[in-house]
Amino acid sequence: SQQGEEDPQALSIQEGENATMNCSYKTSINNLQWYRQNSGRGLVHLILIRSNEREKHSGRLRVTLDTSKKSSSLLITASRAADTASYFCATGAYSGAGSYQLTFGKGTKLSVIP
Amino acid sequence: NAGVTQTPKFQVLKTGQSMTLQCAQDMNHNSMYWYRQDPGMGLRLIYYSASEGTTDKGEVPNGYNVSRLNKREFSLRLESAAPSQTSVYFCASSLGFSGGKLAKNIQYFGAGTRLSVL
Repeated sequence: SQQGEEDPQALSIQEGENATMNCSYKTSINNLQWYRQNSGRGLVHLILIRSNEREKHSGRLRVTLDTSKKSSSLLITASRAADTASYFCATGAYSGAGSYQLTFGKGTKLSVIP
Repeated sequence: NAGVTQTPKFQVLKTGQSMTLQCAQDMNHNSMYWYRQDPGMGLRLIYYSASEGTTDKGEVPNGYNVSRLNKREFSLRLESAAPSQTSVYFCASSLGFSGGKLAKNIQYFGAGTRLSVL
């Protein structure tokens, strides 16, 4: 079953504005990752935040994690038309015998209007 | 600098036909994964291989089989295709265990195979 649920499902903003996407999950995690998918392409990793971290930055990306609320947010500042894509959160958990799995949410479709 | 390579990119099958989707990675990763992506459903894990010689079921394994041929290659087989298997299939790989420790496990994805079953 889907672990992460992104909100909103779709977001349309003007170039230069900030975009915020939220993710909620249900079970305990080892880390949470955000991925980006351009139309017709595979997913590309953006950023990983461990369960003992509260905030992480990478360029124009800022991710927060609140394990007490089982939620995360991805902020993209000063958005560009090239940021138009779908964004997925994925919760990571180790499941014995040396295996590790990611469970993906349904994604937020971001459109940045030039 | 290929990363994860999937073949074919597109495929149309008739109900009941079989086919194998191929995946190869050149990053010396230990773990490999097969996902399917359906509209509005995100990615769902079909099978994974934590290391060479092991495979395990994911969330939606029914109707599929996998083979970890060697460290580089992980194939997905549909023995008798059904319309419900129309989807986009993604292969991914990650470092997994390295030097006895589990790495952060960022996954690297192929470009996908678009499969239609008529």
